[in-house]
Amino acid sequence: EPEVTQTPSHQVTQMGQEVILRCVPISNHLYFYWYRQILGQKVEFLVSFYNNEISEKSEIFDDQFSVERPDGSNFTLKIRSTKLEDSAMYFCASSEGDPGTGAYEQYFGPGTRLTVT
Amino acid sequence: TQLLEQSPQFLSIQEGENLTVYCNSSSVFSSLQWYRQEPGEGPVLLVTVVTGGEVKKLKRLTFQFGDARKDSSLHITAAQPGDTGLYLCAGVPIDNNAGNMLTFGGGTRLMVKP
Repeated sequence: EPEVTQTPSHQVTQMGQEVILRCVPISNHLYFYWYRQILGQKVEFLVSFYNNEISEKSEIFDDQFSVERPDGSNFTLKIRSTKLEDSAMYFCASSEGDPGTGAYEQYFGPGTRLTVT
Repeated sequence: TQLLEQSPQFLSIQEGENLTVYCNSSSVFSSLQWYRQEPGEGPVLLVTVVTGGEVKKLKRLTFQFGDARKDSSLHITAAQPGDTGLYLCAGVPIDNNAGNMLTFGGGTRLMVKP
């Protein structure tokens, strides 16, 4: 069964450094997403991406963050100048999209645990 | 901000018991999805409901979408220890036409004791 994959599974970085989190969405999916989950808190939406551009972003997704689809398979989240509060699980998700019914079933990857020290 | 409130937050029951988890909002959702999440892993999609009043069954799990598409419930019959986990509801607000962002509830942590 096709699945979303993410690398690395765990990333430790020092405050102020840049990190790139990588995702390979399900191959026939058109919509891509990043979410994060701080330990013990709700899953929070960061950004959605469709047709090679950001379609929506949350207040969390400020200039520190950027996303890119550098080729036909990868989808990346870059965090510049990381802060302690960026420590969280970061989940990539993808959906095929179903405009007819409005059901955009999103399938999540296993996550990258980012630890900023 | 569209909020999804789940209740109860924690539930501990004996094997064989039935249970219901609720997901409520004052906002209308175009679709609502239920996920199960294990510690340190990503949410795994269980079901999507789209139509008000819709009922879907997945083995011993029954999912219902409220008529007004503001609430949903998950009912588990004859719970088993393998059902232990965190159950999340997540919805796409009806006024969200651009990015299909999911708004998540806080989750219900279920423990089924043998």
